[in-house]
Amino acid sequence: GENVEQHPSTLSVQEGDSAVIKCTYSDSASNYFPWYKQELGKGPQLIIDIRSNVGEKKDQRIAVTLNKTAKHFSLHITETQPEDSAVYFCAAREGGSYIPTFGRGTSLIVHP
Amino acid sequence: DSGVTQTPKHLITATGQRVTLRCSPRSGDLSVYWYQQSLDQGLQFLIQYYNGEERAKGNILERFSAQQFPDLHSELNLSSLELGDSALYFCASSARTGYSTDTQYFGPGTRLTVL
Repeated sequence: GENVEQHPSTLSVQEGDSAVIKCTYSDSASNYFPWYKQELGKGPQLIIDIRSNVGEKKDQRIAVTLNKTAKHFSLHITETQPEDSAVYFCAAREGGSYIPTFGRGTSLIVHP
Repeated sequence: DSGVTQTPKHLITATGQRVTLRCSPRSGDLSVYWYQQSLDQGLQFLIQYYNGEERAKGNILERFSAQQFPDLHSELNLSSLELGDSALYFCASSARTGYSTDTQYFGPGTRLTVL
């Protein structure tokens, strides 16, 4: 089955800095990579996703890049704000599965 | 707000007891997924239902069971509860199944505490 590694487990940045979270996956058949943000006391919320036929996708201050050859994908947040503080999860899903495999999460702390 | 609702928000019970968690998917979504989130295990997939039928099974204990009703809401039943079952339980829904790019939308979760 799929295995997703996520790093770092904790990331502390100053407001206005950029933050990068990296994930690697094991199954080359994976073709869908969503990112979720989980705020304290809430469920994970989809913030951006990327399909395997795309190398990069942007949505305002967030972007995701995918390197299929190296089997890794990254989340980039620019101009971080205190409200970006949350736990971020990456996930990978192979074409034949309905179920994504999640990384262990990254706790992002943005200091004002 | 994802459109997925879960009740109750919090549940405190004793070891050996049985509880039922309820989930209503987003309007029109046919698939429901249940996940368990604990500090040491992360987000673990338990089971998926599609239009009333079980479609995929993950790391679900035999003491746990689920079902999806004709109105598409789902219930997760946890029995003979143990201290280690204390966790957040999330329900997610998606429009279809069989499509690997279907987005899952998560509910706010039920926090279960077993004393």
